[in-house]
Amino acid sequence: DAGVIQSPRHEVTEMGQEVTLRCKPISGHDYLFWYRQTMMRGLELLIYFNNNVPIDDSGMPEDRFSAKMPNASFSTLKIQPSEPRDSAVYFCASTLEVSGNYGYTFGSGTRLTVV
Amino acid sequence: GQNIDQPTEMTATEGAIVQINCTYQTSGFNGLFWYQQHAGEAPTFLSYNVLDGLEEKGRFSSFLSRSKGYSYLLLKELQMKDSASYLCAVREDSNYQLIWGAGTKLIIKP
Repeated sequence: DAGVIQSPRHEVTEMGQEVTLRCKPISGHDYLFWYRQTMMRGLELLIYFNNNVPIDDSGMPEDRFSAKMPNASFSTLKIQPSEPRDSAVYFCASTLEVSGNYGYTFGSGTRLTVV
Repeated sequence: GQNIDQPTEMTATEGAIVQINCTYQTSGFNGLFWYQQHAGEAPTFLSYNVLDGLEEKGRFSSFLSRSKGYSYLLLKELQMKDSASYLCAVREDSNYQLIWGAGTKLIIKP
């Protein structure tokens, strides 16, 4: 199993540009999460999907952020326009269930720097 | 409100034992997770507790007391590779919601 795959690993972009982060969850996992991690705020849940349907996007900071999951094997997180305060590591995670002792499997993350 | 407290940083010696504490105040409880995160890498799942008591997994053990809102992660026979951040997370109810602590940075010295 290749695990959760994210791309790109690193992204440096200029303020105002559009950024798209990609994620491929583990095959068979029904839940997909997008997290953001910074030193100041730790891990923050942005949005999560169940069976490709967005369930809770209350963590999305503002309308500049959007996420889609067109099928069970692919999700994107888009920031348009990007701002320096969006600089962070963005993680995608998936899990089979949200009950029981199933932990999340995280991808390697995308380190985003907005200059 | 929701709150999870962990020490910011701890230092221990190679070969020794260290205990990382986590206290939580949440509106509900349906399990507590510990994750390990090496610098620049993703968090990886270590352990899960939902009932009171100790769960042992090799060199790592995790303890839970629901009445006290308290857990600890015990690492034995410390190795240099155990230098990492350790994150405590509580699932409030039967849904997805995990409340994350800020993490404890563990530094292992020779």
